[in-house]
Parts: sequence; C-alpha cells; structure tokens
Amino acid sequence: DTGVSQDPRHKITKRGQNVTFRCDPISEHNRLYWYRQTLGQGPEFLTYFQNEAQLEKSRLLSDRFSAERPKGSFSTLEIQRTEQGDSAMYLCASSFLSGRAHEQYFGPGTRLTVT
Amino acid sequence: QKEVEQNSGPLSVPEGAIASLNCTYSDRGSQSFFWYRQYSGKSPELIMFIYSNGDKEDGRFTAQLNKASQYVSLLIRDSQPSDSATYLCAVSPSGNTPLVFGKGTRLSVIA
Repeated sequence: DTGVSQDPRHKITKRGQNVTFRCDPISEHNRLYWYRQTLGQGPEFLTYFQNEAQLEKSRLLSDRFSAERPKGSFSTLEIQRTEQGDSAMYLCASSFLSGRAHEQYFGPGTRLTVT
Repeated sequence: QKEVEQNSGPLSVPEGAIASLNCTYSDRGSQSFFWYRQYSGKSPELIMFIYSNGDKEDGRFTAQLNKASQYVSLLIRDSQPSDSATYLCAVSPSGNTPLVFGKGTRLSVIA
C-alpha cells in the first residue's frame, strides 16, 4: 500500500496524559499536513511541513501541541496534558509540490478520545 | 477569515438521478478547488479537483468552477446508493497551501 498511513488508528487516553501520533506520507510527497476534524465539521488545518521545515501553524495549535518531521519523511504530532476538548479525528495529508499539481491525499486518521 | 460555505443537507436523490452539490468561498484570490467524499467514520477521499474556470469531467463526476461568482459545484450523474456520503468542498487560497474546508453536504441516494 503506497498511500498515507497513520498510527495508531484509535487512542483512548485520560485527561492530562500525553499522546503522540505518527504519519507516514506517500513516499515521493514533500509536503505533509495535519488537520483536526470534529463531528459535523470539516477538517481544520493545524500545521504543515515542506520536507523537514515547519512552514505554518494554525492558531488552533496551542502550546500543548507540537509537531516534527525530523528527516523530511514521517511526522509526529504530540499533544501534552490532553483535555477533553482535544477529542477529535486527527488527519494527516500529503502532497507533492510541483507546478499546479498539489492535490492532498489523506491518511485513515487517528481517532483520539480523552476521558 | 477565509470561509467555505456548503449546505449541510441532507440532500436526498433517487437512484439514477443527478445529484448537485454546491459550494461558495470568500477568498477571491483562491487558486485550487477540491471535492472530497467522506463516509461515516472514515477519512476524506479526493474525488475531483479543478483549477480553471469551466467544467471538468471524470466518469460520473463533473466539477464546475466559476471564479467570478466564487462558486464551485459537483454533479454526480446516475447516482448510486454507494454515493451516499458527506461531500466536502475544499479551497486552497494560494495554490499548494493548507486547505480550507466547508462543513460538508450529506448526500443520501435512495434505492
């Protein structure tokens, strides 16, 4: 399977705990995006990378959130001191920066439940 | 604040009919437009993209873009029950940049 992969697919954690999610993009894609989606809403942008450089962070990304893409391949998203409001589907997408071809393809998502 | 608006639905159409889904966007400088299909509990799946004014057809799907009216639509011909899903409209304000999504339109195709 050469699509975007995410791990884990589901995570249940207690409030106050830290969680980390991983995303592996499509191999030739150099841009990687993180979005968050709650019930009844469209995905909301969190942050994105071009290769290993983090280009932009959304105001949704409080200081409890951090993301890395250390070697320009996979990325991790960490949430510290989780809150119940962090419960959502965390989606990763990737694209290839080349001319006008910049379609973003999503992974299966990680569903986070904070109890 | 860049916004993308969609009617939340549900939009119900009989099997075999044409389903028409609409989307408006606020940023006049937006460059790229996408339609994603999302089944319940699953992640969004890219089904169409369009960059220029006019129509773009791919199988049973046609995307239509009118930049002057800041309007993009998706037509699904010969709708099937398997097309029942939420359809998300997404806009890239400056080309290869983060997408701004609408809340989606729920489509129900009745057999």
